[in-house]
Amino acid sequence: EIQLVESGGGLVQPGRSLRLSCVASGFTFDDYAMHWVRQPPGRGLEWVAGISWNNGSVGYADSVKGRFTISRDNAKNSLYLLMKNMRPEDTAFYYCVKVDGFGSGPGDFWGQGSLVTVSS
Amino acid sequence: EIVMTQSPATLSVSPGERATLSCRAGQTISNNLAWYHQRPGQAPRLLIYGASTRATGITARFSGSGSGTEFTLTISSLQSEDLGVYYCQQYNNWRASFGQGTKVEI
Repeated sequence: EIQLVESGGGLVQPGRSLRLSCVASGFTFDDYAMHWVRQPPGRGLEWVAGISWNNGSVGYADSVKGRFTISRDNAKNSLYLLMKNMRPEDTAFYYCVKVDGFGSGPGDFWGQGSLVTVSS
Repeated sequence: EIVMTQSPATLSVSPGERATLSCRAGQTISNNLAWYHQRPGQAPRLLIYGASTRATGITARFSGSGSGTEFTLTISSLQSEDLGVYYCQQYNNWRASFGQGTKVEI
């Protein structure tokens, strides 16, 4: 059974940093690209960042480019999102998403989400 | 970033009726389009990818069509478990993007 378990969410002050982690199981992690997708409470989905199977390609939404960094450790079956200089508008549930393929593609499995709240 | 526009914002349908949801891309994306369903309090679930291919375990009541910039998701006979919000997503390049969602009410 495929599982994606996010951790690291919580309350953070504006301007501070936070790192989210996602541990994957039930599939060959280094065969697939991964994404982070976020959803402010009560609102729609926003793609945040994506990374190819081998760290060779990454992409970011304009809203987070230069502040967020996506990375992965295939030896640990783990995906990360380092968020710096955080803003109140970054408040959202953050989902770890497995992509159906090694590059850009649809998200075929989603974690349950980790809530990040940016507030003073 | 490619802008995705969904319509209508809300769709009210009776059980057993057909529901048609639309999604328009701001530029051509070939068939690099997916549809997701999100129930309240749950993570989204992949329904359709490649514009028309059903994901594993998805009932044949769901069908997708379209290519280029215009796409449609059809639910042939709405069931109570189909309520929630439906999102389209383009993945034509690394900078994927979602539509704003269509809420299906029963």
